[in-house]
Amino acid sequence: DIVMTQSPDSLAVSLGERATINCKSSQSLLYSSDNKNYLAWYQKKPGQPPKLLTYWASTRESGVPDRFSGSGSGTDFTLTISSLQAEDVAVYYCQQYYSSPYTFGQGTKLEIK
Amino acid sequence: QVQLQESGPGLVKPSETLSLICSVYGGSVSSGRYYWSWFRQPPGKGLEWIGYIYHGESANYNPSLKSRVTISVDTSKKLLSLKLTSVTAADTAVYYCARHFCSGAGCYPFFDYWGQGTLVTVSS
Repeated sequence: DIVMTQSPDSLAVSLGERATINCKSSQSLLYSSDNKNYLAWYQKKPGQPPKLLTYWASTRESGVPDRFSGSGSGTDFTLTISSLQAEDVAVYYCQQYYSSPYTFGQGTKLEIK
Repeated sequence: QVQLQESGPGLVKPSETLSLICSVYGGSVSSGRYYWSWFRQPPGKGLEWIGYIYHGESANYNPSLKSRVTISVDTSKKLLSLKLTSVTAADTAVYYCARHFCSGAGCYPFFDYWGQGTLVTVSS
């Protein structure tokens, strides 16, 4: 199985400041045939299902605010929130879909400082 | 707009079978176009993919659960179902169903539509 490791486990950021969450995979998620990274990011709030934020490492899902951006390639990926809003308090997960079983990082809890 | 809703018993006894259904509104589970997955999240822990079904028949399961899990589709009732046998306390979790992302380029195993989830507790 591909192991996904996120850092940090928790993060406190001031409103309006940048938040950066990292995700590292145990093997490359870059598929050579299409040159795409098979990595998605989700936001999860208590009592709600995960919400898809980005896929192919950097493609923002429709309706997701442009303050959310994904980057990275191979084994190292980042989710950046450019200007933290109160409604961004949540747990964030990365997920690889390069190979089955599809696996998630352990989650990063984002709070307001 | 696709909507999914999980339902089933909230309490299951150890060694028994957990059975859940996922009602799908606005998207056909019997369509060959879509893949449908189940997930779970134990209290205070991360997300685990359980398995998917495609074309109403072809299924792929997480090896960690493969010996105990069955995912199926009732096409007439537009329902997905999940069965997990021989449950223990470690199977206590919120269970979700979700649809794989599909575009003109195909369907991929990341997930854009999710149910709200249902908590299943395994306890005597």
